[in-house]
Amino acid sequence: GDSVTQMEGPVTLSEEAFLTINCTYTATGYPSLFWYVQYPGEGLQLLLKATKADDKGSNKGFEATYRKETTSFHLEKGSVQVSDSAVYFCALASGGSYIPTFGRGTSLIVHP
Amino acid sequence: DVKVTQSSRYLVKRTGEKVFLECVQDMDHENMFWYRQDPGLGLRLIYFSYDVKMKEKGDIPEGYSVSREKKERFSLILESASTNQTSMYLCASTLRTTTGELFFGEGSRLTVL
Repeated sequence: GDSVTQMEGPVTLSEEAFLTINCTYTATGYPSLFWYVQYPGEGLQLLLKATKADDKGSNKGFEATYRKETTSFHLEKGSVQVSDSAVYFCALASGGSYIPTFGRGTSLIVHP
Repeated sequence: DVKVTQSSRYLVKRTGEKVFLECVQDMDHENMFWYRQDPGLGLRLIYFSYDVKMKEKGDIPEGYSVSREKKERFSLILESASTNQTSMYLCASTLRTTTGELFFGEGSRLTVL
């Protein structure tokens, strides 16, 4: 079945550092890929998505590129802020399914 | 903006009590979901519904039931709460035609003593 593997956290960075959170997936066919973010005390919200190979999703300074050859969708940001501290979830949806498969989440802590 | 509202942010219940968690969405979404979130385990799907009065089991339905009498409302029911059901519960909704893009509520943190 479908699965998503994320790097374990927490990831701890200083403000303005470069961020990468790794995500790889296993799926049949050509899934759509997503990053969701969960700020403290809140539910998840969609951060960005990509629906086909080589697509780049971007939002709020975050980017992720759909790499079919490596089955990856790594999240990157050039300069993190304290306000980016949150839990980040990678997810996929395949076969036209509206039910995504989530990774276990990666906690990001950004220090001033 | 889509709003998904969960009725209670924090609940404390006793073992054996019946617990209702309510969720309402205001964007006419066909699909609604209940997840539980636990540290180290991520999100696990309990039940989902694709239409009024329709429901499907997710990955961990044991000990839970659901009700969807109106399109905008999806309720999660713990018939007899147990301590291992202490968790964060997240409701979500989406259009039938939208692949993978869920809108989440803020969560209900349940503690069972």
